[in-house]
Amino acid sequence: EVQLVESGGALVQPGRSLRLSCTTSGFTFGDYAMNWVRQAPGKGLEWVGFIRSKAYGGTTEYAASVKGRFTISRDDSKSIAYLQMNSLKTEDTAVYSCTRAYYDLGYYFDNWGQGTLVTVSS
Amino acid sequence: SYELTQPPSVSVSPGQTARITCSGDALPKQYAYWYQQKPGQAPVLVIYKDSERPSGIPERFSGSSSGTTVTLTISGVQAEDEADYYCQSADSSDTYVVFGGGTKLTVL
Repeated sequence: EVQLVESGGALVQPGRSLRLSCTTSGFTFGDYAMNWVRQAPGKGLEWVGFIRSKAYGGTTEYAASVKGRFTISRDDSKSIAYLQMNSLKTEDTAVYSCTRAYYDLGYYFDNWGQGTLVTVSS
Repeated sequence: SYELTQPPSVSVSPGQTARITCSGDALPKQYAYWYQQKPGQAPVLVIYKDSERPSGIPERFSGSSSGTTVTLTISGVQAEDEADYYCQSADSSDTYVVFGGGTKLTVL
């Protein structure tokens, strides 16, 4: 069974940093891209970014709203994906979920974690 | 930036057919995907590549595409289908992922 479990969410002040982890099991982690999505309270889904598998260069793509502040990385030996968030803003408050990203003429997200809450507030 | 447009809400009586649309300029060139999200739960993929249904998704869920609009159709709607539905695709450069704003399906 595929499982994704996010951790690291917290209450943090504006301007500070936070790192989220996505611990996975039940599939060959290194074969897949890994993706982050966020959902502000009462709002819709917002794509954050993804990291390709090593076979596709391990490169990353980010939404414009987080580019330059957030960094996605992966540790294939531990089957964990990370989201490093710097210079946090109040508008980054959301539940952050990791997903497995499947590529077949387009990326889509076939397995999701339950998410971890990040609150940015002074 | 690229956007996908969905109606905020759709209402339907049990047993009827619900149609949720999603519009975007790149949809003729990019596949669309649909997710169902119930309160307090993670989204679930219900349609991929415009019209393919993952295993375990009921046959009453179907998808179609025409020009710049894709449509999620739920035939014979049941009370358990009440949820938020999101379309997802990519921009024309196939670099950036985008979600629609979501549609709340209410079963009357």
